[in-house]
Amino acid sequence: GAVVSQHPSWVICKSGTSVKIECRSLDFQATTMFWYRQFPKQSLMLMATSNEGSKATYEQGVEKDKFLINHASLTLSTLTVTSAHPEDSSFYICSPSRSGGDTEAFFGQGTRLTVV
Amino acid sequence: GQSLEQPSEVTAVEGAIVQINCTYQTSGFYGLSWYQQHDGGAPTFLSYNALDGLEETGRFSSFLSRSDSYGYLLLQELQMKDSASYFCAVFSGGYNKLIFGAGTRLAVHP
Repeated sequence: GAVVSQHPSWVICKSGTSVKIECRSLDFQATTMFWYRQFPKQSLMLMATSNEGSKATYEQGVEKDKFLINHASLTLSTLTVTSAHPEDSSFYICSPSRSGGDTEAFFGQGTRLTVV
Repeated sequence: GQSLEQPSEVTAVEGAIVQINCTYQTSGFYGLSWYQQHDGGAPTFLSYNALDGLEETGRFSSFLSRSDSYGYLLLQELQMKDSASYFCAVFSGGYNKLIFGAGTRLAVHP
């Protein structure tokens, strides 16, 4: 399987501050990056899809100005949660995808964000 | 759009067999997948079915019936470490983004 590195694994921040989460695909080129959010005991909800060098496409209900996604290279994507609020506390998971249509999805380890 | 339904919780004892069902509605079907997720961890791939029938991988098997828009995950010889959430998922728009069901929490008891 692919090797995906996501960090930090957990972060606590104050309301109103911004947090950046990094996701790296270590052994393949990720032409597409998916970002998911998961609240406790709930499913993974897709937030946005980004293609390398292009603007991200956000799912309905996800604020693009609040969740900034950068996918400037084929091995690195970042998600920045801006002006975080307690309701943004969640588990964020990245999933890089390479061209060619893998039937198996690969995931980062996830980032547990707690906003106090 | 896509929607998937699966039971929210299942309980079983060690050594038993459990089946987790999943029904789906999709606009375009590219296969049904299953993922396991332990609390606090990332999802891990279990299986993928694109064609009808049963796929077996060790203690886990997955079944698909495209005509019924239905599939299931079968876990045999349950172990305590199998306690986790199990998600069925379908691809949206070809081999693109993955849409997950709500998940089934499996609790295995001694």
